[in-house]
Amino acid sequence: QVQLQQWGAGLLKPSETLSLTCAVYGGSFSAYYWTWIRQPPGKGLEWIGETNHRGGTNYNPSLKSRVTISIDTSKNQFSLKLRSMTAADTAVYYCARVPDTGSYIAGWGQGTLVTVSS
Amino acid sequence: DIVMTQSPDSLAVSLGERATINCKSSQSVLYSPNNKNHLAWYQQKPGQPPKLLIYWASTRESGVPDRFSGSGSGTDFTLTISSLQAEDVSVYYCQQYYSTPLTFGGGTKVEIK
Repeated sequence: QVQLQQWGAGLLKPSETLSLTCAVYGGSFSAYYWTWIRQPPGKGLEWIGETNHRGGTNYNPSLKSRVTISIDTSKNQFSLKLRSMTAADTAVYYCARVPDTGSYIAGWGQGTLVTVSS
Repeated sequence: DIVMTQSPDSLAVSLGERATINCKSSQSVLYSPNNKNHLAWYQQKPGQPPKLLIYWASTRESGVPDRFSGSGSGTDFTLTISSLQAEDVSVYYCQQYYSTPLTFGGGTKVEIK
């Protein structure tokens, strides 16, 4: 069974860069696409983007100018960087597994609450 | 972007009764080449990540109780809980994966009456 474990800083100041990493345990790392989704407190879900084991990426146009999703196949990990953070980026960030590009979310990490505050 | 609209925002249902949640997409999510609706449903409990319930609009994920069912096609979809149990109290989301960016409905909160 594929499990996702994520980590990263939970408190940032405005203008700083969010950096989160997600490790994948079990299953075939190359068989899936890997995605990041966020959820502001008490609100709905927003897709940030995805990557695959070849390093191909697909981003939400609303965040594309600030986002980088990268992958390290040697460690079965993928990462999210979101630059120029503001209070509006305060959210729980989830890493997740999808069976194919732009597909339903088959498995989720535990989530990381990221708060942006001066 | 495809806009997903759920209704109602919340509903209260008695234990053992039926709960029905609606989801409407701003354009059809029926993909002609595979004749499948690219629509999924998730359940989210407080403090937890969402959990996949249904994909391809009506295919139940492994391990999901059969009281959960999905129906609909094109732009109009429904998630039905045939007999509400206490553990079904959650927020439910629909999601389209017809095109990127993937988008979600605003959520429907289900409570016990």
